[in-house]
Amino acid sequence: GESVGLHLPTLSVQEGDNSIINCAYSNSASDYFIWYKQESGKGPQFIIDIRSNMDKRQGQRVTVLLNKTVKHLSLQIAATQPGDSAVYFCAEIYYNQGGKLIFGQGTELSVKP
Amino acid sequence: GAGVSQSPSNKVTEKGKDVELRCDPISGHTALYWYRQSLGQGLEFLIYFQGNSAPDKSGLPSDRFSAERTGGSVSTLTIQRTQQEDSAVYLCASSLGVAGRETQYFGPGTRLLVL
Repeated sequence: GESVGLHLPTLSVQEGDNSIINCAYSNSASDYFIWYKQESGKGPQFIIDIRSNMDKRQGQRVTVLLNKTVKHLSLQIAATQPGDSAVYFCAEIYYNQGGKLIFGQGTELSVKP
Repeated sequence: GAGVSQSPSNKVTEKGKDVELRCDPISGHTALYWYRQSLGQGLEFLIYFQGNSAPDKSGLPSDRFSAERTGGSVSTLTIQRTQQEDSAVYLCASSLGVAGRETQYFGPGTRLLVL
């Protein structure tokens, strides 16, 4: 069935390095993608989003890249900090199915000092 | 506070009991969503409300699950005859406008444990 999945369940990086978290999606009808950060015991926190008519969007220290040809999404975090340690989820919205988010399984990012 | 709030934050119940989980969305948000997150898993869509339209219940796992949204604001998710597999974190989110076109903001969740 349709799904959004992540390539790696865990990622460990050194403080100050750049992090790249990947996500594959299978529904070509999806037109909106979001990255969420979830810290232990908290609800997901919006990081950045991108619409299907774009291939790159930048925020503060974060960049999302969308490759529709291969149905791939990535989140890049520059100069990763200990506070970035969390589980990161990508999510997609199908245009014709209202606003329900379809989430991937998540990648746990661990930042070593 | 201006965020989404949920109550209770934790709920322990016995198998077979009914539970009610509450969500207060951000004021002015017309869309409200419920998701479920099992341990170490991603989020699973349950139901969403958009304005006065009929809710999309396509994600509810069984007829033991139901939800209401009164006055276009507060929502209650009810689980009847709880089972151990219902144990999870139940997350509520709201968004400002037309579903799918606005960012969804999540509450802290209700952690449900069915013994």
